[in-house]
Amino acid sequence: GAGVSQSPSNKVTEKGKDVELRCDPISGHTALYWYRQSLGQGLEFLIYFQGNSAPDKSGLPSDRFSAERTGGSVSTLTIQRTQQEDSAVYLCASSFQGGNEKLFFGSGTQLSVL
Amino acid sequence: QKEVEQNSGPLSVPEGAIASLNCTYSDRVSQSFFWYRQYSGKSPELIMSIYSNGDKEDGRFTAQLNKASQYVSLLIRDSQPSDSATYLCAVNGRGSTLGRLYFGRGTQLTVWP
Repeated sequence: GAGVSQSPSNKVTEKGKDVELRCDPISGHTALYWYRQSLGQGLEFLIYFQGNSAPDKSGLPSDRFSAERTGGSVSTLTIQRTQQEDSAVYLCASSFQGGNEKLFFGSGTQLSVL
Repeated sequence: QKEVEQNSGPLSVPEGAIASLNCTYSDRVSQSFFWYRQYSGKSPELIMSIYSNGDKEDGRFTAQLNKASQYVSLLIRDSQPSDSATYLCAVNGRGSTLGRLYFGRGTQLTVWP
């Protein structure tokens, strides 16, 4: 597609439920990032995929969070046993190579945990 | 996580004025610096990148970098109401963290007519 696509755009869930967020990066981009943005806050780094290398998972806040990237393209961020503090906008971004490259962001998924 | 600090806002300037946005970073080995603009309810978009000490100009925008002081700034000349947005400073890691961008909390800018 023309840009980074994320789905769903909005997700409302109950505390304790699992959620899956999807990101479809720009075709040909080898680097894919997940960030989280809480209301009025900056972007919190979560995880970074670069090509076939092992992902940099150091930003994941707990073991309830996991992400995978299949075939070097689509990525899924999974949050298990959601908590209210998980409520935020989850942003996916991709870039051609990573490193110093410009990031292209998707429109985000607004997650609300009730 | 590396610390990227931005001057607290909100910042309000009249149309036509110069808006000055500041950012400091804690990791002395950082090499790449970016300014992203985020309109309310939208995703960030890159407006400037700078890698060397000094000034870099692009239209009404000038990025300034001082690695010795660990300081990067963004100047917006002839500010327009359409510049009203949150500006995010981002710093790239090195070595094992090369791929990451660390973002500040952002400075909200309002340009009033």
